[in-house]
Amino acid sequence: QVTLKESGPGMLQPSQTLSLTCTFSGTSLSTSNMGLSWLRQPSGKGLEWLASIWNNDNYYNPSLRSRLTISKETSKNQVLLKFTSMEPADTATYYCAYTVVGAFDYWGQGVMVTVSS
Amino acid sequence: DIVMTQSPSSLAVSAGETVTINCKSSQSLLYSGNQKNYLAWYQQKPGQSPKLLIYWASTRQSGVPDRFIGSGSGTDFTLTISSVQAEDLAIYYCQQYYDTDTFGAGTKLELK
Repeated sequence: QVTLKESGPGMLQPSQTLSLTCTFSGTSLSTSNMGLSWLRQPSGKGLEWLASIWNNDNYYNPSLRSRLTISKETSKNQVLLKFTSMEPADTATYYCAYTVVGAFDYWGQGVMVTVSS
Repeated sequence: DIVMTQSPSSLAVSAGETVTINCKSSQSLLYSGNQKNYLAWYQQKPGQSPKLLIYWASTRQSGVPDRFIGSGSGTDFTLTISSVQAEDLAIYYCQQYYDTDTFGAGTKLELK
């Protein structure tokens, strides 16, 4: 059973950089054909994929690519996301998700991030 | 980007009814190399993270009740929930993973 847990600052000011950590168990980043992704969901709204890391390849939502960096710390079973130039419109719950069959098989509980001055 | 259009946006049902949720993609999700449709369905209950129900358009995730049925191919897909139970009240999303992942806007299933 794969479990994931997101952690982050909760609140930050406009123009700051968001740093999120996904800590997982039950799998390993050295496992082939599996991926870890970040998605977000503004309150009461739909889901948006942000970025994924598959093996040693990174993938980004084209509309947000310039602001995103996904990386991994294999020894710690962690995937990190940096999101620059945060603004109030980026206020959302941010999720980490695990992929083995192509879709997002398992999700973390999410971490709420509020951008406000 | 592939645009996913779900209908209806909300649906009021009574327990025991059968419901159908539709999802249409702006381009085919059927990959000719493996004849698989890159389409998934998720259930999200209030205050919870999404849960994968169906992948490859019609394969149920382990542990998902068999009253949840995914069907369709190409650009038109359906999630059917037979004999709806109170625990099924949630928002349902379709998602394509053929190209850059995108989701439908969701269908809210409510109690009549």
